[in-house]
Amino acid sequence: NAGVMQNPRHLVRRRGQEARLRCSPMKGHSHVYWYRQLPEEGLKFMVYLQKENIIDESGMPKERFSAEFPKEGPSILRIQQVVRGDSAAYFCASSPGHDAEAFFGQGTRLTVV
Amino acid sequence: DQQVKQNSPSLSVQEGRISILNCDYTNSMFDYFLWYKKYPAEGPTFLISISSIKDKNEDGRFTVFLNKSAKHLSLHIVPSQPGDSAVYFCAAGGQSWLSFGAGTTVTVRA
Repeated sequence: NAGVMQNPRHLVRRRGQEARLRCSPMKGHSHVYWYRQLPEEGLKFMVYLQKENIIDESGMPKERFSAEFPKEGPSILRIQQVVRGDSAAYFCASSPGHDAEAFFGQGTRLTVV
Repeated sequence: DQQVKQNSPSLSVQEGRISILNCDYTNSMFDYFLWYKKYPAEGPTFLISISSIKDKNEDGRFTVFLNKSAKHLSLHIVPSQPGDSAVYFCAAGGQSWLSFGAGTTVTVRA
């Protein structure tokens, strides 16, 4: 019974490149959330998705960031033309529904050089 | 706009004593509250939760108290153990996703 799987665990990108972060939710979970943790800060909500639908993306920057959760396969958080300020830990969580415990993956630590 | 606040960034407690972590929220629409624990370089792990219809929930050494009128919740850990040293996040739900506080770093001294 695998938990939430995120890959890669560590990702290094040069400024201007694209970063793709993957998240496979727990079995039976159809709700996926992405959070970002900047150094010395808490977890900031980015986007909430259900299969094939973006439910709430109010926490995600309007430019360069996008997310998807296709019918088949993992959820993807995509950051285009990365900048140094994108360096952070990105956590994915899944739940069987909202107002239920969300279970987190180990995170992807993105470093932009 | 920080809807969930943890005003104490750190807490140091002696092993065997009680750790009390506090959390305040501003959104009266929140109806579900959770505490997560996080070790460095790992994802947060769920600890305990409470719904707004209750004022207390207990699970082993962990007890969460909710005061709806004050929009305040707290987590009690007793007795504190060295393995409890971690960052603790308070979270609130009710608007489809969880809002998190900034975290409190707990250090348990031997």
